[in-house]
Amino acid sequence: DSGVTQTPKHLITATGQRVTLRCSPRSGDLSVYWYQQSLDQGLQFLIQYYNGEERAKGNILERFSAQQFPDLHSELNLSSLELGDSALYFCASSAQGINQPQHFGDGTRLSIL
Amino acid sequence: AQKITQTQPGMFVQEKEAVTLDCTYDTSDPSYGLFWYKQPSSGEMIFLIYQGSYDQQNATEGRYSLNFQKARKSANLVISASQLGDSAMYFCAMREKTSGDNTGNQFYFGTGTSLTVIP
Repeated sequence: DSGVTQTPKHLITATGQRVTLRCSPRSGDLSVYWYQQSLDQGLQFLIQYYNGEERAKGNILERFSAQQFPDLHSELNLSSLELGDSALYFCASSAQGINQPQHFGDGTRLSIL
Repeated sequence: AQKITQTQPGMFVQEKEAVTLDCTYDTSDPSYGLFWYKQPSSGEMIFLIYQGSYDQQNATEGRYSLNFQKARKSANLVISASQLGDSAMYFCAMREKTSGDNTGNQFYFGTGTSLTVIP
């Protein structure tokens, strides 16, 4: 058990809809990262938050947004969903320090019909 | 240029044999971290081993060791005494700072190597 909790585990929705993915980091970790993993794109970094503030941004679409709340949990909002957004979405958390690994949640599998 | 390159899409190894998974990286930052993760077919990402850019010795964690060659910018994972449960995707990753106060970090992942252990 990594200590990172992601909900829901599976999500099925239709094109054009909006969904929210939730992540609770490991106890004590201030950084949260979001990734998208699809078969053709591999593991793509989306965004990082540290203690409530955005700190690094990757290949995140404008239709996607995220935030980290005062209790350090984070949400990833995906809107105007397209078929190509079907993927496994991971949340990871880490402690501060270059030697600290990320610990991943089990992921949310999003299927767009 | 790719930050992390894994050139072996698929590898096969006989059970109980050792196998090396290749990883090269690209950075101009003197301070960085290198990591390997395992992703079994069930999907979860499992942290295996870490190597820091200033570490003088190669990292070791049980049957996993990291062959770190800084001048060549390579960080190959060696799995000794392979087991059937080692069959999985393996990802090499690098952590770089994106802010001076070390609160901003970005992890770069390679495309992965699919390892199959043959009985």
